Formats: sequence, structure tokens, C-alpha cells
Amino acid sequence: DAMVIQNPRYQVTQFGKPVTLSCSQTLNHNVMYWYQQKSSQAPKLLFHYYDKDFNNEADTPDNFQSRRPNTSFCFLDIRSPGLGDAAMYLCATSRETGENTEAFFGQGTRLTVV
Amino acid sequence: SQQGEEDPQALSIQEGENATMNCSYKTSINNLQWYRQNSGRGLVHLILIRSNEREKHSGRLRVTLDTSKKSSSLLITASRAADTASYFCATLGLSYNTDKLIFGTGTRLQVFP
Repeated sequence: DAMVIQNPRYQVTQFGKPVTLSCSQTLNHNVMYWYQQKSSQAPKLLFHYYDKDFNNEADTPDNFQSRRPNTSFCFLDIRSPGLGDAAMYLCATSRETGENTEAFFGQGTRLTVV
Repeated sequence: SQQGEEDPQALSIQEGENATMNCSYKTSINNLQWYRQNSGRGLVHLILIRSNEREKHSGRLRVTLDTSKKSSSLLITASRAADTASYFCATLGLSYNTDKLIFGTGTRLQVFP
């Protein structure tokens, strides 16, 4: 059974039209991450939450926002998508940030901007 | 940037050969993890090694960690065509502002039958 679920798997949006990607988890993990992965590149961390404590990476564009209304759900909002925002967006969770902690990833949402 | 570096960027081998990938990182870590990603798919967790461990095995995988050199290696023995994928190391930092999972640049492995 999928433990980290991302919806939708594929999303097409128009240039400049706000879009929201969602992630849910059944693991009751404290930590949730959003990554952006462009073709042939490594996943790049955008934000992460420890419970409700939000941590924004310094180089994450202002165009990207996130919400975590409860433990199970996390959203990535792209306010005005540009062509350069086309990528795979990966959500991950982990129980905490200790030495035995591994992350669990969703299947990702592939975003196309037209 | 905290992002680690991996080498080689790409590796092509024949089935049955061993594949070795290296990862270097910059900060003190809680652990280091290796992930596999098939083309266009999500990330699959392979193995985790804690900062106080030096070597770990899982099936055909062997991971080493040298915290003094801030480096790790992943060895896949007796490779198979199904091992063709990208492999990423990821570090979980130790300090308050680094306790997040950061990925290295990745190695693309091609195993020819």
C-alpha cells in the first residue's frame, strides 16, 4: 500500500496560472519535504516541515509556497508557473531527523507548463 | 550549497561486473543514504549508513563511509541489466540548520546485457 501519495501524477498548467500539487501520508511522520527535480538532475530541496515548523531553502523562489494544514497533508503552490518550473516534484516524509531516519518518497508529480 | 558531489556522473558496464559510485559531502552528518531512481520514476531507498558506521551490506550492495574525508561509496556487485538507473546519495545533517535530507548530484549507471 502506498504510504506517501502524490496527486496528480501528471499535471499540465498554463503559463502564469496558479497550480497546487498535493501530498498525503499514512505514516504519521513529523517531517515532510518538497523537492524539485529537473531532467537529468538531482532532487533539489524547496522546503521542509518539522511538524508545523516551516523551513524554506534560501534559494527557493518566492513563486513557490507551501501549506501543511495537518500531519497527513502537505501542499505545494506555484503562484505563477513559468516554463522553467516544468519538472518532477517529489514529496517525502520521515519520522524525525535522527541517525536512523530514512525518508519515504511519493511517486512524484510531473508538471508541464504550456 | 550543501549538495554533495558524486562521481562518476555516468558509468557503463557489462552485466556481471561490479559498479562503484562515490559521494562526497560538506557538512557533519547524522546519516548518509543511497537511493535509486529509474527513468521518470520516484526514488527508492536502498541503504542507510549512520555516521558512526564504516561499512554496511545489503544483498549485492556494499556501502562505506569515511567521515574524516566526508565521503561514501556504493558498490554494486555482479551487476544486472535491471540495475540500470540513476543512483543518488543523500545526507541528513547534524546541526539545527542542516537536519534535512540533501541529495548529491547522482551517477547514471548503464548495465549492458
